[in-house]
Amino acid sequence: EVQLVESGGGLVQPGGSLRLSCAASGFTFSSHWMHWVRQAPGKGLVWVSRIINDGSGADYADSVKGRFTISRDNGKNTLYLQMNSLRDDDTAVYYCARYLGVSGADFWGQGTLVTVSS
Amino acid sequence: QSALTQPASVSGSPGQSITISCTGTSSDVGGYKYVCWYQQHPGKAPKLMIYDVSNRPSGVSNRFSGSKSGNTASLTISGLQTEDEADYYCSSYTSRATWVFGGGTKLTVL
Repeated sequence: EVQLVESGGGLVQPGGSLRLSCAASGFTFSSHWMHWVRQAPGKGLVWVSRIINDGSGADYADSVKGRFTISRDNGKNTLYLQMNSLRDDDTAVYYCARYLGVSGADFWGQGTLVTVSS
Repeated sequence: QSALTQPASVSGSPGQSITISCTGTSSDVGGYKYVCWYQQHPGKAPKLMIYDVSNRPSGVSNRFSGSKSGNTASLTISGLQTEDEADYYCSSYTSRATWVFGGGTKLTVL
């Protein structure tokens, strides 16, 4: 059974940092592109970042470029999102997702809540 | 990276059909076959309903179908059921090697 379990969310002050993790199981992690998607409370889905299979390439939404870094450890079947210089508008549930090719995410984690507030 | 445009809400009665539109540009929806649709119930993670414009993942009812014309993609749900009531999001790959979502559509089954 495919499982994605996020952790690392919590309350952080503006300007602070946080690292999210996503533990994957039930599939060959190193064969899939992985993404982070976020959803602010009561709002819609927003794509954040993507990393390719071997970790050698990544892309970011303009809103997080230069502040967030996506990475993965295929030996540990784990995806990461390092978030620096956090702002109030980064407050959201962060989901990790396994993509089915280029188009869509066929498996999602349960999400982890990040709250940026003083 | 502007969000794709979806109607804020649609509604229908059980048994009816509804269509949700998703309008982008030639740099996203119009330029690629990589359009997908998600269903999200309150407090739950999204569920993939359609990928590559019109393909259904295993286990998704054939009442759900997708299509695209120019810069606009569409999701059609036929034979509406009460459990279809949810938020629906479209998403597309873009020419900048990023992905973009629509603003979401709340489906109400009356």
